[in-house]
Amino acid sequence: DAKTTQPNSMESNEEEPVHLPCNHSTISGTDYIHWYRQLPSQGPEYVIHGLTSNVNNRMASLAIAEDRKSSTLILHRATLRDAAVYYCILRDGGGSNYKLTFGKGTLLTVNP
Amino acid sequence: DSGVTQTPKHLITATGQRVTLRCSPRSGDLSVYWYQQSLDQGLQFLIQYYNGEERAKGNILERFSAQQFPDLHSELNLSSLELGDSALYFCASSTSGRHTGELFFGEGSRLTVL
Repeated sequence: DAKTTQPNSMESNEEEPVHLPCNHSTISGTDYIHWYRQLPSQGPEYVIHGLTSNVNNRMASLAIAEDRKSSTLILHRATLRDAAVYYCILRDGGGSNYKLTFGKGTLLTVNP
Repeated sequence: DSGVTQTPKHLITATGQRVTLRCSPRSGDLSVYWYQQSLDQGLQFLIQYYNGEERAKGNILERFSAQQFPDLHSELNLSSLELGDSALYFCASSTSGRHTGELFFGEGSRLTVL
């Protein structure tokens, strides 16, 4: 599986936007970029995914670089409930191996 | 609530014992995944089933086995337990297992081996 690189931790203030970066320089043409988050004592939760174009949903936005070697998850207004570990994952859409491979993720701290 | 149900939520047992963890996927989901999360290893993929058949295998020990039944629920069997098997075990389900399908995770089963 292609690897992703994320900062170990980031800090934000409540009600401010948060930009979580992810590098994936070895991404292949069939890899989808998925983001999951894991709140304390809970299972991972799907956030968003995309292939080439930027994506928006009710939780977040995903900005994908033109060369697809990096992406940024954007939380428009962080709340205390957004404090979690955020995982950026590449998932092969062209093969038969559909599993998600989680890295260490970014621990996001949100200050009140 | 993801719709994925895992039982038991907590389990304490002794080394050498055998336990079974159960997972009921979301209604209509054909694919089930098992993950192990320990403090030092993070989230590790164990195995995936799709409509009763094994689809992908990850870092699953030979002492562990799993199956998916005709009603689509899945069980993860852990035998000859060791202290290092203490971890959170997550089950996830998805509609098809393809790239467009998000995975829905349960709340996990916390296994403590003493």
